[in-house]
Amino acid sequence: GAVVSQHPSWVICKSGTSVKIECRSLDFQATTMFWYRQFPKQSLMLMATSNEGSKATYEQGVEKDKFLINHASLTLSTLTVTSAHPEDSSFYICSARDPRGRDNEQFFGPGTRLTVL
Amino acid sequence: GNSVTQMEGPVTLSEEAFLTINCTYTATGYPSLFWYVQYPGEGLQLLLKATKADDKGSNKGFEATYRKETTSFHLEKGSVQVSDSAVYFCASYQYNNNDMRFGAGTRLTVKP
Repeated sequence: GAVVSQHPSWVICKSGTSVKIECRSLDFQATTMFWYRQFPKQSLMLMATSNEGSKATYEQGVEKDKFLINHASLTLSTLTVTSAHPEDSSFYICSARDPRGRDNEQFFGPGTRLTVL
Repeated sequence: GNSVTQMEGPVTLSEEAFLTINCTYTATGYPSLFWYVQYPGEGLQLLLKATKADDKGSNKGFEATYRKETTSFHLEKGSVQVSDSAVYFCASYQYNNNDMRFGAGTRLTVKP
């Protein structure tokens, strides 16, 4: 199946700094990528839908100025957590939709664990 | 709206036991249904899927049948292994409104 990578796999940062997480589709072009957040022992919460060449669509309650999403190419979307605080510590997972797939299946990246001190 | 409800865990089984994790969905149309598995410290991997009523998805000994009459997609495996220990997520995807929903996840621990 299609492969999605994330970088970094984990990051530790100081409170107040910004962190950028990359999501890449390695063997297909993804017009749509998704960013999820997962709290310990909980399900995935969709944060935003990232569309190549246009602004991301954020879910209700997600601060767009805090979680900046850029989908500059068909294989790369980035999530920047600005002015991170300890409550932003979480597991962030991206996924990409393979338009070649008949069922619009999403392929998930391995996740990025963010720890804000 | 669309939603997915799955059996809460955690579930602890002995090796070679039979596994069932219940999942039901609500949808305005006919969604595609998925089971994803998340191993410790990793992202989600697609385990199996079904796109229409009565379809059966299967992979690695796991099976789930899309039951429209009961709006269910229960996950089953006849004989679990220690390596099956993970968190399992049921999900539905509604194509017409581009809406994907996940269940809360069920943590499975298989003991030798």
